[in-house]
Parts: sequence; C-alpha cells; structure tokens
Amino acid sequence: DAKTTQPNSMESNEEEPVHLPCNHSTISGTDYIHWYRQLPSQGPEYVIHGLTSNVNNRMASLAIAEDRKSSTLILHRATLRDAAVYYCILPENTGNQFYFGTGTSLTVIP
Amino acid sequence: DTGVSQDPRHKITKRGQNVTFRCDPISEHNRLYWYRQTLGQGPEFLTYFQNEAQLEKSRLLSDRFSAERPKGSFSTLEIQRTEQGDSAMYLCASSPLTRLAGDTGELFFGEGSRLTVL
Repeated sequence: DAKTTQPNSMESNEEEPVHLPCNHSTISGTDYIHWYRQLPSQGPEYVIHGLTSNVNNRMASLAIAEDRKSSTLILHRATLRDAAVYYCILPENTGNQFYFGTGTSLTVIP
Repeated sequence: DTGVSQDPRHKITKRGQNVTFRCDPISEHNRLYWYRQTLGQGPEFLTYFQNEAQLEKSRLLSDRFSAERPKGSFSTLEIQRTEQGDSAMYLCASSPLTRLAGDTGELFFGEGSRLTVL
C-alpha cells in the first residue's frame, strides 16, 4: 500500500526552518503530492499539495524534485503549534483514496 | 461553525451492540469520506461518496459496516455486532468537486467519533 517513505520522527528548534522529506519513487505522472498534519486529539488538517511545480501557501512551501520522486515540506519558521504528525500522501486509485501511513512526528523544541 | 461536524464525539458500547455515527459535511461539498484511525497509526480509508453515490469502498469495510448518504448531504456509518477490534477513531472528511481531473483538492476533516468497544 505505502507509496511514500518518511522518517518516523524529526526535531526542530522553535523559530527555525524545518524541512520534512518524503520519498515517492513510484509516483506516476498524474499523481498529486499531498501533505496533511495531525495535531494531538484532532482530525488531520490540510497543509499543501502540488503536481509538478513548487507551491507556497500561508502555512508552508512544497518543494518537488525535478523527477518528482521526492518532495520536501518546508515550514519556514517552526512554532510550538507546529508540533504534529505530518503525512505525505499520494492519493490512490481514482485519486480519492488517501493512504496516510505513519507520517513524521515533528517535535518543536522551545 | 461551518466545519465538518461529527456526532457523537465519544461512544462506549458493549461487544455485539450496533452503533451509528453521523457526519455533517461542509455545506455544498459534494465529496464525503470516512476514515478509521487506531492509536499510533495514520487514518485508513474506508469509503467515499460523491453526492449520494457510494463510489469507493475499502476492503477494510466488512459486511458489518454500512455507510449511507441518502440525500447527498449528511452521512451515517453504522457498525453492526461491534467487536473489540472496532475500537478506533472514526473520521469524516468532505471536499468540493475540483475542476482539475485527478486533483482531489483539499479534504476538510471533522474531529472524529471515538468508539470504545468493551
């Protein structure tokens, strides 16, 4: 099932940038790359998604490798509220089945 | 609050009982999803509706599970003859139709319904 590979955990100091990597070597040409995060005791929250070009929004940036076999979620300035599990996802089948995996648990150190 | 609403937030039941969860998606969102999440794991896809049509079902959705979205608005997920292994958080999400083929767009999740089967 798993089409993405992420580190189990990462740490970052508060107010520093965080780069969360994701490998998806079997990605197809039409697969979008999605990132969600889940804070404790909450449902997942959309962060960003993209197809080929790098994407920016108010929460984060998504850097997609030229061959699309990997991507990096960039939090420009980590805050304590960014401590969460971050999931990199390639929707399966018709694009409506999201396989979340176990994600990367981000710890932000004050 | 105009987000995805789920009810009840917590349900404790005895093994063998039936339970039903309700999800009210964001108004005018055509797509609705059910996921299940156990402790320490990411959410697992269960099923997907576009309007009232149930278009996709995971093999995880055994015959004890049934989901409906009768009028294309709210949805219910029923579990019959609950087992202890059904204890989990049941998450609902909704999204609007997107113009780009293959682009699911953003899913908006509710806070979930936590089921404990004793």
